[in-house]
Amino acid sequence: DAGVIQSPRHEVTEMGQEVTLRCKPISGHNSLFWYRQTMMRGLELLIYFNNNVPIDDSGMPEDRFSAKMPNASFSTLKIQPSEPRDSAVYFCASSAGPNTEAFFGQGTRLTVV
Amino acid sequence: AQSVTQPDIHITVSEGASLELRCNYSYGATPYLFWYVQSPGQGLQLLLKYFSGDTLVQGIKGFEAEFKRSQSSFNLRKPSVHWSDAAEYFCAVGTTNDYKLSFGAGTTVTVRA
Repeated sequence: DAGVIQSPRHEVTEMGQEVTLRCKPISGHNSLFWYRQTMMRGLELLIYFNNNVPIDDSGMPEDRFSAKMPNASFSTLKIQPSEPRDSAVYFCASSAGPNTEAFFGQGTRLTVV
Repeated sequence: AQSVTQPDIHITVSEGASLELRCNYSYGATPYLFWYVQSPGQGLQLLLKYFSGDTLVQGIKGFEAEFKRSQSSFNLRKPSVHWSDAAEYFCAVGTTNDYKLSFGAGTTVTVRA
């Protein structure tokens, strides 16, 4: 398996623009997680899905953030409108279920100018 | 809710010396414990995990960790570090009731020649 695949790897956008980050989990995994990593706040869980259903989105910072998982092989994290403080590395991870290890993608480095 | 504390923000060790990274968790029942490593610009890679059984767990790259219930700790060790071990290390805890992992703030390891 190719592992968790995220795209793009790098994204630079202007403040106010919409940004969409994409993730393809490992085939067969039924849990998917979006994390954000910054120097100030470390690794934060934004949202996670189980069987394509959002289970906990309490980590989503604001209404500007939204995530979807239309099927078992694809998820998106959207920021609209983007702000400079959203600049971070966003990781997607997947796991085979509760109490199993999560496998991480390479991340998307987002810069909002 | 579970939580993880990594008391050391940064550790510097000489190549060939031993390394120990501390991790303390807070959770009322038996936790599931993980150590991940992140090299610069990369995603998180699983080093090892503890679910049950033998409290001394062997992982990849020559790492091991010991679960001590009485101390609520899961410290990571390596007898002899290599320059390639320079990275950031994260301890994480999962539970029987939840899908998500809670991560510590991370410990950055610098290896000097």
